[in-house]
Amino acid sequence: EDQVTQSPEALRLQEGESSSLNCSYTVSGLRGLFWYRQDPGKGPEFLFTLYSAGEEKEKERLKATLTKKESFLHITAPKPEDSATYLCAVPPRYGGSQGNLIFGKGTKLSVKP
Amino acid sequence: EPEVTQTPSHQVTQMGQEVILRCVPISNHLYFYWYRQILGQKVEFLVSFYNNEISEKSEIFDDQFSVERPDGSNFTLKIRSTKLEDSAMYFCASSDMGANEKLFFGSGTQLSVL
Repeated sequence: EDQVTQSPEALRLQEGESSSLNCSYTVSGLRGLFWYRQDPGKGPEFLFTLYSAGEEKEKERLKATLTKKESFLHITAPKPEDSATYLCAVPPRYGGSQGNLIFGKGTKLSVKP
Repeated sequence: EPEVTQTPSHQVTQMGQEVILRCVPISNHLYFYWYRQILGQKVEFLVSFYNNEISEKSEIFDDQFSVERPDGSNFTLKIRSTKLEDSAMYFCASSDMGANEKLFFGSGTQLSVL
């Protein structure tokens, strides 16, 4: 069964304290791994797509990396405004429909000033 | 920046009643989706819609659910006879490239079935 598992479930950081979030997946024949940010009461907001092992993408204080089994979202010197739930998602192995994504439960990040 | 708009933001209904959730996708997008998120659980795919027909649906999307694009701008999700377990946040999303491209999500409709 295709699965996406994120850890930790929750992470509390002090402002400026760098850390990483993990996303492991069991889908074979990966057709892309997506990171989204979700603020309370809002829909997910796209951050990155990674397609192949070794690929890295950066946006401000965030950097996403991908291996054959997992992805990491590295947060460097976070600020309170980085507080959100970070979601990882992959398309299932079977099912050709565009936009059918399997989401993880997310990591809730809290950054204290 | 263009955005996906959903109405209403909150909907309360009685079990067994029909509800229609409305969405206005981004205007030049061609692919439309509904997802739902039960409180404390994962965001789950319901259905995708392209070229005026359903392109894929999940096991959740049974005969009680239907989608429609009644005009050039709106995209709706109808639940014919709501159940308690339909209570969730429902998100509409759209994209312009289809497979492996980013989805733009609306802010959601919180559906509460009593």
